[in-house]
Amino acid sequence: NAGVTQTPKFQVLKTGQSMTLQCAQDMNHNSMYWYRQDPGMGLRLIYYSASEGTTDKGEVPNGYNVSRLNKREFSLRLESAAPSQTSVYFCASRMTALSYEQYFGPGTRLTVT
Amino acid sequence: KNEVEQSPQNLTAQEGEFITINCSYSVGISALHWLQQHPGGGIVSLFMLSSGKKKHGRLIATINIQEKHSSLHITASHPRDSAVYICAVLNSGGGADGLTFGKGTHLIIQP
Repeated sequence: NAGVTQTPKFQVLKTGQSMTLQCAQDMNHNSMYWYRQDPGMGLRLIYYSASEGTTDKGEVPNGYNVSRLNKREFSLRLESAAPSQTSVYFCASRMTALSYEQYFGPGTRLTVT
Repeated sequence: KNEVEQSPQNLTAQEGEFITINCSYSVGISALHWLQQHPGGGIVSLFMLSSGKKKHGRLIATINIQEKHSSLHITASHPRDSAVYICAVLNSGGGADGLTFGKGTHLIIQP
């Protein structure tokens, strides 16, 4: 099993450009999450999806949209990137009903210039 | 919103020393995660605790639900233990909500 995978690993965008961060898990987990990690701050929740077909805002959703394409995949879209969105983005997943434990992807390092 | 505080923020120790990292949170939780992150690396789950104590090799995690406090201990520390250790909590209710994270403890073990 690959666990949680993310693409791309690195990305540089210019202000105003758009892009989609991809996340997939092969553990048949119900819930999936997008977090961002910034220096001097803990990871913060952007959006989450409790199950296929549902999404909810987290702590810092502004400037982002998400899609839960199917049970495996949860994508994060930046429609018009801003320098404040320079960060490391982590996707995670959890079985929900059976376990509290979250499994994390390797991260995507995004720089917006 | 749960507030998660970790201490110390930075810790440098000599190889072989016993290490303790502390985590306090402000409101009731379903469970608490201890995570490890190496420089430039991904995030790995070390423990998920709802009560009591867990041990994996040289790592020990404890939680006191009444005092809203958890500790992560490393015995016989080694330079490869150098990493950022992150405490994260899952709020009560056990729903699909995401975790609330501390800012991490940056640990350096010198040979």
